[in-house]
Formats: sequence, structure tokens, C-alpha cells
Amino acid sequence: GAVVSQHPSRVICKSGTSVKIECRSLDFQATTMFWYRQFPKQSLMLMATSNEGSKATYEQGVEKDKFLINHASLTLSTLTVTSAHPEDSSFYICSAAGTDGANYGYTFGSGTRLTVV
Amino acid sequence: AQSVSQHNHHVILSEAASLELGCNYSYGGTVNLFWYVQYPGQHLQLLLKYFSGDPLVKGIKGFEAEFIKSKFSFNLRKPSVQWSDTAEYFCAVKKAGNMLTFGGGTRLMVKP
Repeated sequence: GAVVSQHPSRVICKSGTSVKIECRSLDFQATTMFWYRQFPKQSLMLMATSNEGSKATYEQGVEKDKFLINHASLTLSTLTVTSAHPEDSSFYICSAAGTDGANYGYTFGSGTRLTVV
Repeated sequence: AQSVSQHNHHVILSEAASLELGCNYSYGGTVNLFWYVQYPGQHLQLLLKYFSGDPLVKGIKGFEAEFIKSKFSFNLRKPSVQWSDTAEYFCAVKKAGNMLTFGGGTRLMVKP
């Protein structure tokens, strides 16, 4: 079945530094990848949608200069949290949809828990 | 704007009890519907999905869901829960395009 690998699973960084999170589709080509943020005991909130080879589309209220998304290939999307602050601490999850989203069911990565100290 | 509502935020059941989790959406057009489960410390997993055809959908682990178009609902059911079903359950709706909109989630605790 479709597998999405997300790395790292946990990261602790100092305030002011940048952190890159990778999302890879291992056995299918992901034309679209989604980045979500999940606060404790809350639902997933879509941050942005990225299509391979084009600029990401950000949801309202999400700072595109702070959360840089790159989807340079059909199997890799990255989210870079720039100049991280403690309020950026959260659980970040990626999801990938292939050329036929119906078959792939929007496979989710295992998430990255970011802690900014 | 489209919204997805899960009215039960927390549900506590004893083993062997029946389960029904509500999911309602507000979008009036053609939709695709999903239920995901997130076990403690794990990532989201697809339980079942509805795209077309029989509105009663069978999923993994004995779960099923029924799409009732007139009620804009897609409730999740299981006739007899187990302790291992303790998890958080998310309903999600996809309209045109690939974007999923998630409900707020329902945290289920099953007492042994």
C-alpha cells in the first residue's frame, strides 16, 4: 500500500533557529502534498497545499515566509519552520495524494513533534 | 465555508458496547467522505471511505459508516467495541480538488 515517510519524528531546537521537516512518498508519485498542524487535543488544521513544481497554497492565517514549503519532486516535499519560536511548538503532519487520490486515500506521515525552547 | 462537525468530543464506553460517532458536514455539492483513526502515539490511519455507490461502507476492524445525503451525515458505527479501539476518531470531507477538511475529532475511551 501507499506509504508516506516523514522525518524527523521529533526535533528540539533553540528559539530563532530553523527546522526542516521532510515528507516522502515511498511507493507512489505524490502530485499533491498537504501540511497540517495539530495542537494538543485538537484536530488537524491544514496549513498549506503543495503541488509538485509550483508554489504552495497557504491557508488563511498561515505565514508563508515563516513556513516555507518546497515540493521539488513527485516524491518529496519539505516544510521549513524559519526563525522558530516557542509558539511554533506543535505536531506537524504531512499527507500525500497521488495522481488518483481516490485510490491512495490521502496517506499520512507519522508526524513530527517540534519543540522550540 | 465548508465545515465538518463531530458533536461528540469525548465518548466513554465499556467493552462490548455499541458505538456510533456522529459526523455532519455543511457542503451541498458532491463530496467524498472519510473516517480516520489515531491511536495513542501513532499517526492517522484510514478506517473507511465513501466515494459513491452503496451508502453503507464497511471498513477495517469491524467499523462501518452510513452516508445519509439528506442529513449531510456520515456516522461511524461498530456493534461491539474493544479496549483496543481506544483512540481518537476524525471524520473528513473532500470536495472538489484534493483538500480534506477535518472534523474536530472524537476521543473514544473503552473501559475493559
